[in-house]
Amino acid sequence: EVQLVESGGGIFQPGGSLRLSCAASGFTFRSFEMNWVRQAPGQGLEWVSYISGSARSKRYADSVWGRCTISRDNSKNSMFLQINNLRAEDTAIYYCVRPSFGGQWDFAYWGQGILVTVSS
Amino acid sequence: QSVLTQFASVSGSPGQSITISCTGTSSDIGSHNYVSWYQQHPGKVPKLIIYEVTKRPSGVSNRFSGSKSDNTASLTISGLQAEDEADYYCCSYVDGRTFLYMFGTGTTVTVL
Repeated sequence: EVQLVESGGGIFQPGGSLRLSCAASGFTFRSFEMNWVRQAPGQGLEWVSYISGSARSKRYADSVWGRCTISRDNSKNSMFLQINNLRAEDTAIYYCVRPSFGGQWDFAYWGQGILVTVSS
Repeated sequence: QSVLTQFASVSGSPGQSITISCTGTSSDIGSHNYVSWYQQHPGKVPKLIIYEVTKRPSGVSNRFSGSKSDNTASLTISGLQAEDEADYYCCSYVDGRTFLYMFGTGTTVTVL
């Protein structure tokens, strides 16, 4: 069974940094692209970042470009998201997401999400 | 980076069919078939219900169907049921300069 478990959320200061982790299990992690998707309170879904299975390709939403770094450790079946210079608008539930098949452009498997609050 | 446009709300009576539209441009929805749809009940994790415009994942009811015409994708729910009351989001692969995906603004479906 595919399982994705996020950690690292909490309350952060504006201008500060955060590092979220996603622990994956139940599949061959290195064979799948992974993504982060977020949802601000009462708002819609927003794609944040993508990383290929080999980590050679990384992409970011305009809203976090220049402040964000996605990475992964295939030896530990883990993915990470670091966001610097945090803003109030980064407040959201962050989801770790996997496509249905390798090379597929959808979001089939979702973690339970982790809440990030940016506030002074 | 824009978003895909959806009507904010759609309602229908049990048993009816409703259609949710998702309007993009020739650079996103109009350029490929990587459009997906997600159902999200309040307080729950989103669920994939349609991928590649028309395909249903295993276990998803055949009352859900997808289609596309030019720059607009659509989700049809047939035989509306109380459990279909939820938020629905479309999503398109984009492959922009830096970004890769765009979600729609979301549609709240109410079963009367």
